[in-house]
Amino acid sequence: DQQVKQNSPSLSVQEGRISILNCDYTNSMFDYFLWYKKYPAEGPTFLISISSIKDKNEDGRFTVFLNKSAKHLSLHIVPSQPGDSAVYFCAASADTGNQFYFGTGTSLTVIP
Amino acid sequence: EAGVAQSPRYKIIEKRQSVAFWCNPISGHATLYWYQQILGQGPKLLIQFQNNGVVDDSQLPKDRFSAERLKGVDSTLKIQPAKLEDSAVYLCASSRPGRSGYTFGSGTRLTVV
Repeated sequence: DQQVKQNSPSLSVQEGRISILNCDYTNSMFDYFLWYKKYPAEGPTFLISISSIKDKNEDGRFTVFLNKSAKHLSLHIVPSQPGDSAVYFCAASADTGNQFYFGTGTSLTVIP
Repeated sequence: EAGVAQSPRYKIIEKRQSVAFWCNPISGHATLYWYQQILGQGPKLLIQFQNNGVVDDSQLPKDRFSAERLKGVDSTLKIQPAKLEDSAVYLCASSRPGRSGYTFGSGTRLTVV
C-alpha cells in the first residue's frame, strides 16, 4: 500500500524556469514532510522540510507548499539550474517514531 | 561532521548465498534505520533502531534478514539465503532524537544472480 505517491516519474525543464514536483499522500495522520534529492550512486540528501502547522516553507531557491485538505505537497525550484538534475523523493511521517514513508521519486532534468 | 558510512559499496552474490552490510552512523545519532530501495521504487523501511533496541522491524523478512546494533553504534544487516528479488540498494540512515530528517549513507548496491 503506497501511502506516498509521486505520479510523475520524470520532468524536464529549461534552465532558469520553474520546476514543480508534486507529491500526494493518503494517510491523514502524516504531519511532517521532507524532500530529498538523490544523485546516481549516492544516498539521498535532505533538501527541505515542512510541518503540517505551516502551508509553506522556503529555503533559497526551494519552496515547499502543503495543502492538507488535498493531502498534496509540491516542491518549487526557481530558477532551475542544471545541477538540480537528480531524482527527488518526498517523504512523510506521522508522530510515531520518526519513521518516514517515501514516494517513488521524480527524475528531474534541467536542460541548459 | 562525518557522514553515515556504509560498506561495501557494491556486492554481487549468487542466490542462496549469504551477505552482510555494515553501517556506522553519525556520532551522537541515537536512531538508525535500514532501508531497501528496489530500482524504480522509493526507499522502504526494513528496520529502525533506537540506541541498540529495535523500534520497528515489521517490514523485515525475518526468515532471511537479520539486523543488529551492538553497543548502540554500528549496525550490521544480513541476508541469508539471498533471493533474486533481494537485488536492491540497501541504505542506512541515522537521525537525532525527535522529529528530524535522516542523513543517509551512500548505500550498498546488491546484485543477486
